[in-house]
Amino acid sequence: NAGVTQTPKFQVLKTGQSMTLQCAQDMNHNSMYWYRQDPGMGLRLIYYSASEGTTDKGEVPNGYNVSRLNKREFSLRLESAAPSQTSVYFCASSVGRPQMMDTQYFGPGTRLTVL
Amino acid sequence: GIQVEQSPPDLILQEGANSTLRCNFSDSVNNLQWFHQNPWGQLINLFYIPSGTKQNGRLSATTVATERYSLLYISSSQTTDSGVYFCAVYMKSSYDKVIFGPGTSLSVIP
Repeated sequence: NAGVTQTPKFQVLKTGQSMTLQCAQDMNHNSMYWYRQDPGMGLRLIYYSASEGTTDKGEVPNGYNVSRLNKREFSLRLESAAPSQTSVYFCASSVGRPQMMDTQYFGPGTRLTVL
Repeated sequence: GIQVEQSPPDLILQEGANSTLRCNFSDSVNNLQWFHQNPWGQLINLFYIPSGTKQNGRLSATTVATERYSLLYISSSQTTDSGVYFCAVYMKSSYDKVIFGPGTSLSVIP
Protein backbone atom coordinates (compact mmCIF):
# COMPACT_ATOMS: atom_id res chain seq x y z
CA ASN A 1 0.00 0.00 0.00
CA ALA A 2 2.00 2.99 -1.31
CA GLY A 3 -0.45 5.74 -0.27
CA VAL A 4 0.03 8.87 -2.39
CA THR A 5 2.85 8.86 -4.92
CA GLN A 6 4.16 11.73 -7.01
CA THR A 7 6.49 11.90 -9.97
CA PRO A 8 8.96 13.37 -10.57
CA LYS A 9 10.60 14.23 -7.24
CA PHE A 10 12.67 17.02 -8.74
CA GLN A 11 12.41 18.99 -11.98
CA VAL A 12 14.19 21.96 -13.52
CA LEU A 13 12.49 23.79 -16.37
CA LYS A 14 13.31 26.78 -18.50
CA THR A 15 10.79 29.60 -18.78
CA GLY A 16 8.13 28.72 -21.33
CA GLN A 17 8.58 24.95 -21.15
CA SER A 18 5.67 22.72 -20.28
CA MET A 19 5.43 19.71 -18.04
CA THR A 20 2.96 17.49 -16.21
CA LEU A 21 3.22 16.46 -12.58
CA GLN A 22 1.73 13.07 -11.88
CA CYS A 23 -0.07 11.94 -8.74
CA ALA A 24 -1.64 8.61 -7.90
CA GLN A 25 -3.29 7.17 -4.79
CA ASP A 26 -4.14 3.58 -4.00
CA MET A 27 -6.48 4.19 -1.05
CA ASN A 28 -9.69 4.39 -3.10
CA HIS A 29 -10.15 8.00 -2.05
CA ASN A 30 -12.75 10.16 -3.72
CA SER A 31 -11.10 13.57 -3.45
CA MET A 32 -7.68 14.66 -4.64
CA TYR A 33 -5.84 17.97 -4.33
CA TRP A 34 -2.88 19.89 -5.67
CA TYR A 35 -1.09 22.40 -3.44
CA ARG A 36 1.99 24.53 -3.80
CA GLN A 37 4.29 25.52 -0.95
CA ASP A 38 6.59 28.50 -1.29
CA PRO A 39 9.54 29.04 1.06
CA GLY A 40 8.50 29.92 4.59
CA MET A 41 4.81 29.67 3.79
CA GLY A 42 1.95 27.32 4.28
CA LEU A 43 0.32 25.44 1.45
CA ARG A 44 -1.99 27.06 -1.08
CA LEU A 45 -4.64 25.08 -2.90
CA ILE A 46 -4.30 25.14 -6.68
CA TYR A 47 -7.03 22.75 -7.83
CA TYR A 48 -9.01 19.91 -6.37
CA SER A 49 -11.21 17.11 -7.61
CA ALA A 50 -14.17 15.77 -5.68
CA SER A 51 -14.64 12.78 -7.93
CA GLU A 52 -13.53 11.26 -11.21
CA GLY A 53 -14.22 13.63 -14.07
CA THR A 54 -14.73 16.74 -11.94
CA THR A 55 -12.25 19.46 -11.08
CA ASP A 56 -12.55 22.82 -9.33
CA LYS A 57 -10.33 25.82 -8.80
CA GLY A 58 -8.71 26.57 -5.50
CA GLU A 59 -6.98 29.71 -4.33
CA VAL A 60 -4.21 29.99 -6.96
CA PRO A 61 -5.28 28.23 -10.22
CA ASN A 62 -3.81 30.64 -12.77
CA GLY A 63 -1.14 29.11 -14.96
CA TYR A 64 -2.17 25.53 -14.21
CA ASN A 65 -4.48 22.90 -15.64
CA VAL A 66 -5.51 19.61 -14.08
CA SER A 67 -6.97 16.34 -15.17
CA ARG A 68 -8.63 13.66 -13.07
CA LEU A 69 -7.90 10.75 -15.35
CA ASN A 70 -9.59 8.16 -13.16
CA LYS A 71 -10.23 7.66 -9.48
CA ARG A 72 -6.56 6.95 -8.79
CA GLU A 73 -4.80 9.65 -10.79
CA PHE A 74 -4.81 13.44 -10.74
CA SER A 75 -2.30 15.32 -12.86
CA LEU A 76 -1.18 18.95 -12.80
CA ARG A 77 0.05 20.60 -15.99
CA LEU A 78 2.08 23.74 -16.46
CA GLU A 79 1.59 24.84 -20.06
CA SER A 80 4.18 27.63 -20.09
CA ALA A 81 6.28 27.61 -16.95
CA ALA A 82 7.25 30.89 -15.30
CA PRO A 83 9.83 31.58 -12.57
CA SER A 84 6.93 32.46 -10.23
CA GLN A 85 5.91 28.82 -10.40
CA THR A 86 9.11 27.71 -8.71
CA SER A 87 7.79 25.90 -5.67
CA VAL A 88 7.27 22.55 -4.00
CA TYR A 89 4.09 20.87 -5.21
CA PHE A 90 2.15 18.48 -3.01
CA CYS A 91 -0.63 16.17 -4.04
CA ALA A 92 -3.09 14.93 -1.43
CA SER A 93 -6.17 12.76 -1.23
CA SER A 94 -9.04 12.21 1.17
CA VAL A 95 -11.94 9.83 1.52
CA GLY A 96 -14.76 12.35 1.54
CA ARG A 97 -15.76 15.32 -0.52
CA PRO A 98 -13.56 18.40 -0.12
CA GLN A 99 -16.24 20.21 1.82
CA MET A 100 -15.88 17.68 4.59
CA MET A 101 -12.20 18.47 4.79
CA ASP A 102 -11.53 15.14 6.38
CA THR A 103 -8.10 13.70 6.90
CA GLN A 104 -5.85 14.42 3.94
CA TYR A 105 -2.93 12.16 3.04
CA PHE A 106 -0.02 13.82 1.30
CA GLY A 107 2.50 12.69 -1.26
CA PRO A 108 6.23 13.34 -0.82
CA GLY A 109 6.20 16.47 -2.99
CA THR A 110 7.79 17.58 -6.26
CA ARG A 111 10.43 20.28 -6.08
CA LEU A 112 10.15 22.39 -9.25
CA THR A 113 12.58 25.10 -10.29
CA VAL A 114 11.85 27.34 -13.27
CA LEU A 115 14.85 29.24 -14.59
CA GLY B 1 -10.64 37.34 2.88
CA ILE B 2 -10.16 35.14 5.85
CA GLN B 3 -6.90 35.54 7.76
CA VAL B 4 -5.19 32.71 9.58
CA GLU B 5 -2.48 33.56 12.09
CA GLN B 6 -0.26 31.24 14.06
CA SER B 7 1.84 31.92 17.10
CA PRO B 8 4.58 31.77 17.98
CA PRO B 9 6.33 31.80 14.59
CA ASP B 10 9.36 30.02 16.02
CA LEU B 11 9.86 27.94 19.14
CA ILE B 12 12.86 26.19 20.61
CA LEU B 13 12.27 23.63 23.34
CA GLN B 14 14.41 21.43 25.49
CA GLU B 15 13.50 17.79 25.12
CA GLY B 16 10.82 16.89 27.66
CA ALA B 17 9.26 20.35 27.79
CA ASN B 18 5.62 21.13 27.02
CA SER B 19 4.34 23.69 24.55
CA THR B 20 1.16 25.29 23.24
CA LEU B 21 0.76 26.44 19.67
CA ARG B 22 -2.04 28.76 18.71
CA CYS B 23 -4.06 29.30 15.54
CA ASN B 24 -6.38 32.28 15.20
CA PHE B 25 -8.76 32.78 12.31
CA SER B 26 -10.70 35.87 11.37
CA ASP B 27 -13.99 34.42 10.18
CA SER B 28 -16.32 31.53 10.82
CA VAL B 29 -14.98 28.32 9.38
CA ASN B 30 -16.51 24.98 8.66
CA ASN B 31 -13.52 22.85 9.51
CA LEU B 32 -9.98 23.01 10.84
CA GLN B 33 -6.99 20.69 10.69
CA TRP B 34 -3.51 20.60 12.20
CA PHE B 35 -0.55 19.29 10.19
CA HIS B 36 3.08 18.53 10.95
CA GLN B 37 5.75 18.95 8.30
CA ASN B 38 8.95 17.20 9.33
CA PRO B 39 12.41 18.52 8.46
CA TRP B 40 12.41 16.34 5.32
CA GLY B 41 9.25 17.98 4.00
CA GLN B 42 6.82 15.17 4.69
CA LEU B 43 3.33 16.38 5.67
CA ILE B 44 1.26 14.46 8.17
CA ASN B 45 -2.27 15.22 9.26
CA LEU B 46 -2.43 15.40 13.06
CA PHE B 47 -6.01 16.35 13.86
CA TYR B 48 -9.23 17.05 12.10
CA ILE B 49 -10.88 19.24 14.71
CA PRO B 50 -13.64 21.68 13.74
CA SER B 51 -14.61 22.00 17.41
CA GLY B 52 -13.99 20.41 20.77
CA THR B 53 -10.93 18.57 22.03
CA LYS B 54 -9.05 15.55 20.73
CA GLN B 55 -6.03 13.72 22.02
CA ASN B 56 -3.55 11.41 20.34
CA GLY B 57 -0.73 10.28 22.58
CA ARG B 58 1.38 13.27 23.61
CA LEU B 59 -0.52 15.59 21.33
CA SER B 60 -3.89 17.14 21.89
CA ALA B 61 -5.87 19.89 20.22
CA THR B 62 -8.76 22.13 21.16
CA THR B 63 -10.83 24.30 18.85
CA VAL B 64 -13.20 26.97 20.15
CA ALA B 65 -15.00 27.85 16.94
CA THR B 66 -17.15 30.58 18.53
CA GLU B 67 -14.00 32.42 19.62
CA ARG B 68 -12.13 31.61 16.40
CA TYR B 69 -9.06 29.90 17.69
CA SER B 70 -7.48 26.49 18.02
CA LEU B 71 -4.67 25.26 20.25
CA LEU B 72 -2.24 22.41 19.74
CA TYR B 73 -0.59 21.02 22.88
CA ILE B 74 2.62 19.05 22.75
CA SER B 75 3.63 17.39 26.00
CA SER B 76 6.99 15.81 26.87
CA SER B 77 8.44 16.97 23.57
CA GLN B 78 10.87 14.77 21.66
CA THR B 79 13.40 15.63 18.98
CA THR B 80 11.15 13.90 16.45
CA ASP B 81 8.54 16.60 17.11
CA SER B 82 10.76 19.12 15.33
CA GLY B 83 9.41 20.64 12.14
CA VAL B 84 6.70 23.08 11.16
CA TYR B 85 3.15 22.90 12.47
CA PHE B 86 0.41 24.27 10.27
CA CYS B 87 -3.23 24.84 10.94
CA ALA B 88 -5.58 24.95 7.97
CA VAL B 89 -9.16 26.11 7.89
CA TYR B 90 -11.90 25.34 5.43
CA MET B 91 -14.75 27.65 4.66
CA LYS B 92 -17.54 27.63 2.18
CA SER B 93 -17.73 30.73 0.07
CA SER B 94 -17.96 31.45 -3.63
CA TYR B 95 -15.56 28.56 -4.00
CA ASP B 96 -14.21 26.03 -1.58
CA LYS B 97 -11.40 27.63 0.34
CA VAL B 98 -8.68 25.87 2.21
CA ILE B 99 -6.43 28.42 3.89
CA PHE B 100 -3.23 27.45 5.62
CA GLY B 101 -1.63 29.51 8.35
CA PRO B 102 2.04 30.52 8.05
CA GLY B 103 3.14 27.82 10.47
CA THR B 104 5.06 27.52 13.73
CA SER B 105 8.59 26.25 13.34
CA LEU B 106 9.50 24.02 16.30
CA SER B 107 12.99 22.85 17.19
CA VAL B 108 13.36 20.36 20.02
CA ILE B 109 16.93 20.09 21.26
CA PRO B 110 18.27 17.19 23.30
